Amino acid sequence: GAVVSQHPSWVICKSGTSVKIECRSLDFQATTMFWYRQFPKQSLMLMATSNEGSKATYEQGVEKDKFLINHASLTLSTLTVTSAHPEDSSFYICSAPGQAANTGELFFGEGSRLTVL
Amino acid sequence: GENVEQHPSTLSVQEGDSAVIKCTYSDSASNYFPWYKQELGKRPQLIIDIRSNVGEKKDQRIAVTLNKTAKHFSLHITETQPEDSAVYFCAASKGSSYKLIFGSGTRLLVRP
Repeated sequence: GAVVSQHPSWVICKSGTSVKIECRSLDFQATTMFWYRQFPKQSLMLMATSNEGSKATYEQGVEKDKFLINHASLTLSTLTVTSAHPEDSSFYICSAPGQAANTGELFFGEGSRLTVL
Repeated sequence: GENVEQHPSTLSVQEGDSAVIKCTYSDSASNYFPWYKQELGKRPQLIIDIRSNVGEKKDQRIAVTLNKTAKHFSLHITETQPEDSAVYFCAASKGSSYKLIFGSGTRLLVRP
């Protein structure tokens, strides 16, 4: 199956700093990637759809200026949490559709646990 | 937009018993319904999925049923084992969007 890798797997930062999370499709090209956020004991909430070569599409209630998404190549999407605050502490997971046509299946990265002090 | 509801939030069963988790969706245009298993701190793992042109699908101890008219689908796990203990999420998407909307999750505990 398709492999999606995220980095870093965990990060601790001070309040007010920015943190960048990378999501890579290792053995396939992904024109679209999805970013999810998961708080402890909660579900995966879709934050935005990352589109290669164009602007990301954000879900309602997600601040685009706070969560910057860049999808500059067919294998890499990045999520930057700007001016992070403790309430941004969460598990961030990216995903991408595999190359099998129209299966609908998403492949998930390992996730990145962000802790803001 | 799509809304997916999942029940129960927690489920405790004895090893060997069956477990059933149910989900409902709101958007009649949704046509892809996967189930994911997530262990603590790990990524979700696809365990089974079903499309709207099929009413039931089975893979060994796991089965999924879909009722398009009622807009609900269910996960059935038979002969449960302690290693089945995890959080299970249902999800729905439509067309070729791949945009999955997840249910709230069910924490399954299989007691030895």
